[in-house]
Amino acid sequence: SQTIHQWPATLVQPVGSPLSLECTVEGTSNPNLYWYRQAAGRGLQLLFYSVGIGQISSEVPQNLSASRPQDRQFILSSKKLLLSDSGFYLCAWSVVTYGYTFGSGTRLTVV
Amino acid sequence: DAKTTQPPSMDCAEGRAANLPCNHSTISGNEYVYWYRQIHSQGPQYIIHGLKNNETNEMASLIITEDRKSSTLILPHATLRDTAVYYCIVRRGGATNKLIFGTGTLLAVQP
Repeated sequence: SQTIHQWPATLVQPVGSPLSLECTVEGTSNPNLYWYRQAAGRGLQLLFYSVGIGQISSEVPQNLSASRPQDRQFILSSKKLLLSDSGFYLCAWSVVTYGYTFGSGTRLTVV
Repeated sequence: DAKTTQPPSMDCAEGRAANLPCNHSTISGNEYVYWYRQIHSQGPQYIIHGLKNNETNEMASLIITEDRKSSTLILPHATLRDTAVYYCIVRRGGATNKLIFGTGTLLAVQP
């Protein structure tokens, strides 16, 4: 079956520290992968998407970057976190026309 | 992608049908209507989608008007667990097309 794994579930990081969030997908090949962020009380904002290994598109200018070193692995990173990077980060994948599948999310608090 | 308009919040009594409206007056002929929901602190969950015809699955029914300018998501027998934010999204078909979330409707199912 097709599953998506995202970790960690929660993370508290100091301002200026680096960040690495990982997302992996099982049971599918060549998925389109997405990173979304949801700030407290706000809607879901698409940050990055990838249609293949090494192919990253950024939707909004920001302090974050994304990489896709393997077909089913998507990584969200930052060299120096800002307070405004706090939020709920969600990874998603899609293969067919419909039905994005989302991970369980990482709640990041920058202090 | 066309934008959608949804009421910010709705109430529904437990066991009754919940009817969630969505306006998408600028929808194009090749754009689908998708519905997702997000229960608090979880990733969004796909519910249903359609192009022109009404659709039904184990979760809900989707009624699309003949001119396709609006639609209604119907949860036939709402339960407390259906309390969530419901997103109506218009998106072109194809796995590479992005899912852009609006503000959605907060459905509160009352006991």
